[in-house]
Amino acid sequence: AQSVTQLGSHVSVSEGALVLLRCNYSSSVPPYLFWYVQYPNQGLQLLLKYTTGATLVKGINGFEAEFKKSETSFHLTKPSAHMSDAAEYFCAVTGREDDKIIFGKGTRLHILP
Amino acid sequence: DGGITQSPKYLFRKEGQNVTLSCEQNLNHDAMYWYRQDPGQGLRLIYYSQIVNDFQKGDIAEGYSVSREKKESFPLTVTSAQKNPTAFYLCASSKFPGGAPDNYGYTFGSGTRLTVV
Repeated sequence: AQSVTQLGSHVSVSEGALVLLRCNYSSSVPPYLFWYVQYPNQGLQLLLKYTTGATLVKGINGFEAEFKKSETSFHLTKPSAHMSDAAEYFCAVTGREDDKIIFGKGTRLHILP
Repeated sequence: DGGITQSPKYLFRKEGQNVTLSCEQNLNHDAMYWYRQDPGQGLRLIYYSQIVNDFQKGDIAEGYSVSREKKESFPLTVTSAQKNPTAFYLCASSKFPGGAPDNYGYTFGSGTRLTVV
């Protein structure tokens, strides 16, 4: 079975500062990992995903995430926060047994001017 | 452009009333999903369907019903048995089975906000 833990339900960073959103997963098989973003009153949009190959994955809007198998982590980073990054971010995992994706509870990112 | 459409965007329900939320996709995806979202609780799976005329209960199916008569459509009915239906409802779709790595991942609609009045 798979599970996802996102550390911190709320994270605040200053505009221009590094964004780091933490995600740890549990999976009995090599996982596929995802980050989604949700703006207020909208659906979720895929930021990036890791399936196979290079462990550093680049996504949209300047975000990237690194798959670290030894740490069972898939943290999301962005070098310089922008006001438009304020949103809720969801980490997710699938073990592919039934193709269902398991979502974390989300981290709301606040950008301070 | 292919995508997934939810309607209406806002819906108001009176006590004891059934309401149906629409979800339509033109992505040729086999699998479709309904999630409920409440503040601080993330996404909770209500029902999912991986093939036409078949669907399975998710984690919180009580008080909800679905049908899957067409590949493109997966409507959700919130029945009067659902005691606390006020929430944001999200529909998603995906290829099934996934197969190649590029096929994995859900496409989401823009959601329906249901309020009991």
